[in-house]
Amino acid sequence: AQKITQTQPGMFVQEKEAVTLDCTYDTSDPSYGLFWYKQPSSGEMIFLIYQGSYDQQNATEGRYSLNFQKARKSANLVISASQLGDSAMYFCAMREGYTNAGKSTFGDGTTLTVKP
Amino acid sequence: DTAVSQTPKYLVTQMGNDKSIKCEQNLGHDTMYWYKQDSKKFLKIMFSYNNKELIINETVPNRFSPKSPDKAHLNLHINSLELGDSAVYFCASSSQGGSSYEQYFGPGTRLTVT
Repeated sequence: AQKITQTQPGMFVQEKEAVTLDCTYDTSDPSYGLFWYKQPSSGEMIFLIYQGSYDQQNATEGRYSLNFQKARKSANLVISASQLGDSAMYFCAMREGYTNAGKSTFGDGTTLTVKP
Repeated sequence: DTAVSQTPKYLVTQMGNDKSIKCEQNLGHDTMYWYKQDSKKFLKIMFSYNNKELIINETVPNRFSPKSPDKAHLNLHINSLELGDSAVYFCASSSQGGSSYEQYFGPGTRLTVT
């Protein structure tokens, strides 16, 4: 069965500094997708970044990058130049299979607080 | 225009009642989902529909019944509501096209059962 582990319930970072949010996963399916979502205090879920299991390069989207280490089964999110608006809960998720109908499993989340 | 919309945004009801939450997406996506987020923020998938067909049905009580009248809608009906059903319910959708299949979430429906 697939599993996502986020070991950091809460993280603090100083504004303008970089921060890494950890995520490890476990699956027996060779095809899978890894996602990060942001949930601010307002409650909506916002897609941030995606990494496919066969992608050779780490994904990047603006200030977000995904440090994908396949052998270690980790998919850490790196946020560069943190902003106050980055304070939110961050979820790592994995979808098994190579279609969008595959089951998605979410981690327990990490609450990030950016300090001014 | 809202991509994924849910109604109502808030729902307060008593134990034993039956209620429905509606979801609509205008993105042309072929797959829709229902998630439950509990008070500890744990997010768990309940159902997924692909082209109106049930694909994923997690261990969810039979009191929960999804209905997809067409590809743009996935409604959630809950019978005999219990206190433990209190949570935020998110609808989401994604597309088979493209390479990432990221899910677009609705704003959530906060259900409170008293």
